[in-house]
Amino acid sequence: EPEVTQTPSHQVTQMGQEVILRCVPISNHLYFYWYRQILGQKVEFLVSFYNNEISEKSEIFDDQFSVERPDGSNFTLKIRSTKLEDSAMYFCASSVSGDQPQHFGDGTRLSIL
Amino acid sequence: QKEVEQNSGPLSVPEGAIASLNCTYSDRGSQSFFWYRQYSGKSPELIMFIYSNGDKEDGRFTAQLNKASQYVSLLIRDSQPSDSATYLCAVLQGGSEKLVFGKGTKLTVNP
Repeated sequence: EPEVTQTPSHQVTQMGQEVILRCVPISNHLYFYWYRQILGQKVEFLVSFYNNEISEKSEIFDDQFSVERPDGSNFTLKIRSTKLEDSAMYFCASSVSGDQPQHFGDGTRLSIL
Repeated sequence: QKEVEQNSGPLSVPEGAIASLNCTYSDRGSQSFFWYRQYSGKSPELIMFIYSNGDKEDGRFTAQLNKASQYVSLLIRDSQPSDSATYLCAVLQGGSEKLVFGKGTKLTVNP
C-alpha cells in the first residue's frame, strides 16, 4: 500500500540552527500538509500546500517556518533559527483532494538542545 | 476557537467486548469526520471516515455521525488487545483543509 515517507526519523539540533524536514507524499496525492505534536498534547495543523503554494496556514506557522516542493516528489518543512519550544514530532500528510482523508507519515522527532 | 472534545480516558474494556469512543465538535460547518488510531510514539493511522449522518461500518469498526447533536462516535466490536491505543477524533471544517484533532481517548483492552 502506498505510504507517506519522512526523513530523518529523529533530528537533534542546537537552538538557533536551521533544520529541514523531508517528506515524500503518496504519488497521486495533490494536497500536502505538515502537523506537529508536542509530547502529550494534541496533533496541531501547521500548513497545507496545493498547486505549488500554501493554501492554508495556522498561527503557529510564523516567519520562521517555510515549505517547499523542490521537485516532483519531495515536500519539505524548513525551520529557521530553531527554539526549544519547536521540539515535537512533525508529521507530513497527503490527500487526493482537500476534503478526502489525510494519510500520515511516520513522523520526524525533532529535539532542540 | 473551533474545538473537538473527547474523553481522555483511560477507557478499559475486556477482550471481546464493545469499546465505545465519543467525540463532540463545536463548528456546525464541519463536513468530514475521521477516526485515527495512534500507538504510543507512532503516527496517526486512519481507521474510519464518515461524511453523512448515520452509521458506517468497516469490519469490526462502526462510525456514527449525528450532525444535529454535533456528535461522532466509534464502536469497536470484539475488542482485541492489539486495539489498545489512543483514538483520535479529527474534524475537517467546511471550506478548510485543516484537520482539527481532539486530545484522544486512550483505550486499553485487557486479555
